[in-house]
Amino acid sequence: GQQLNQSPQSMFIQEGEDVSMNCTSSSIFNTWLWYKQDPGEGPVLLIALYKAGELTSNGRLTAQFGITRKDSFLNISASIPSDVGIYFCAGQLGGSNYKLTFGKGTLLTVNP
Amino acid sequence: EAGVVQSPRYKIIEKKQPVAFWCNPISGHNTLYWYLQNLGQGPELLIRYENEEAVDDSQLPKDRFSAERLKGVDSTLKIQPAELGDSAVYLCASSLAGGGTGELFFGEGSRLTVL
Repeated sequence: GQQLNQSPQSMFIQEGEDVSMNCTSSSIFNTWLWYKQDPGEGPVLLIALYKAGELTSNGRLTAQFGITRKDSFLNISASIPSDVGIYFCAGQLGGSNYKLTFGKGTLLTVNP
Repeated sequence: EAGVVQSPRYKIIEKKQPVAFWCNPISGHNTLYWYLQNLGQGPELLIRYENEEAVDDSQLPKDRFSAERLKGVDSTLKIQPAELGDSAVYLCASSLAGGGTGELFFGEGSRLTVL
């Protein structure tokens, strides 16, 4: 089946630094999404991308839908302690195939 | 507005015992999902409901897992008998009809430990 490769697996950064993480797939998706999961909570949607090449921002977060439709990246600028958590990418084919395929996540730790 | 509510939050059982998880989705969300999240992994779909109909249960291990959503609102996921490998977090999510945007609203999850 489809698999998403997220990198890096984990990151340790200082407060105020920028962060970049990415997600690649062996097959195309028509929708890319980024979710964040805090400890003991369920994932929460951060950004959704619906068009190849699309660049979308949500506050300090910026995500892009790769032009090949096989990758996406997420940037976080000026990190703060509450950015700590696990970031998951997810792909969706769309149309009649609603199913989300999740990556394994990137664990972000921010040192104050 | 209340989010997706799950219970129990934590459950510890011995292997071969049964266990059940309950989920109440966001009001008005016709689509309900159960996901399995193993440690260090992303969520994996077990079953998806459109109202009371299970439209995708292809990933549900039907020999021991069952689910129901009798009135098209809340749902129950059952495991009987539980095995050691079932230790994981069981996440419930809901979305507006079809989930075509990919925007799912997740509950806090039910963490199962099988001893």
